Amino acid sequence: EAGVAQSPRYKIIEKRQSVAFWCNPISGHATLYWYQQILGQGPKLLIQFQNNGVVDDSQLPKDRFSAERLKGVDSTLKIQPAKLEDSAVYLCASSLVLGALDTEAFFGQGTRLTVV
Amino acid sequence: RKEVEQDPGPFNVPEGATVAFNCTYSNSASQSFFWYRQDCRKEPKLLMSVYSSGNEDGRFTAQLNRASQYISLLIRDSKLSDSATYLCVVKTNAGKSTFGDGTTLTVKP
Repeated sequence: EAGVAQSPRYKIIEKRQSVAFWCNPISGHATLYWYQQILGQGPKLLIQFQNNGVVDDSQLPKDRFSAERLKGVDSTLKIQPAKLEDSAVYLCASSLVLGALDTEAFFGQGTRLTVV
Repeated sequence: RKEVEQDPGPFNVPEGATVAFNCTYSNSASQSFFWYRQDCRKEPKLLMSVYSSGNEDGRFTAQLNRASQYISLLIRDSKLSDSATYLCVVKTNAGKSTFGDGTTLTVKP
C-alpha cells in the first residue's frame, strides 16, 4: 500500500519569500492533517481536513499560512511571507475516518524547511 | 500548562534494562491514547494504542490511568534498536490529536 507522499523533501528560502508544500494522502483516507514539528518538540497540528472541509485550523497562523484540499484528496500548505521561526519539518498525515477514535494517523516523510 | 506533558528525558540505559515513560494529559474529554515512535530525522510511526485495560505487545506494555489522567509505556529487555523518541498522543472524542514533545531513549551496549 502506498504511503503518504510529500514534496519537496527539503526547501531553503529567504525570509519574506513564499513557499508551498504538497501532500498526497493514502488512498481512501478522508482525514488529512498538516503538522509543524520544530526541532526538539512534538508535532503541532496546524490544520485538519475532513474530505475537503476544514475541521480544525485553530492553531494555523492565518496571517501567513494557508492550506487547501481541493476535491478532498491532495492538499497544499503555503507560507507567505516566511519568517525565521517557520523553520521546521512540515508533516502531512492521513487517517481513515474522523471520529473513529482508534484509527492511527499515517505520516509522510515531511518537508524540512529552512528559512534564512 | 501544556495539554500533553511527557518526561523530558533523555533516558540513557544499557541493553537489557527496563525503562518506563509517563505522559500526563489535561483534557478530561480525551478518549483515545497512543504511543508513537520517531527515529532521528524520520516521521512518527504508531507503536501501539493504549487501551483502558492496559495492553502488551511483546516487550512493550502500555497502561492508562483515567482517574489520574496519565498513560505509561514500559519497555522490557531494551534493545539497541529501541533508541528513538517516544511520543505520547491524546485524542479527544472530536477527533483532535495532541502530541507530547517526546522522550528520547538511548540504549547503549
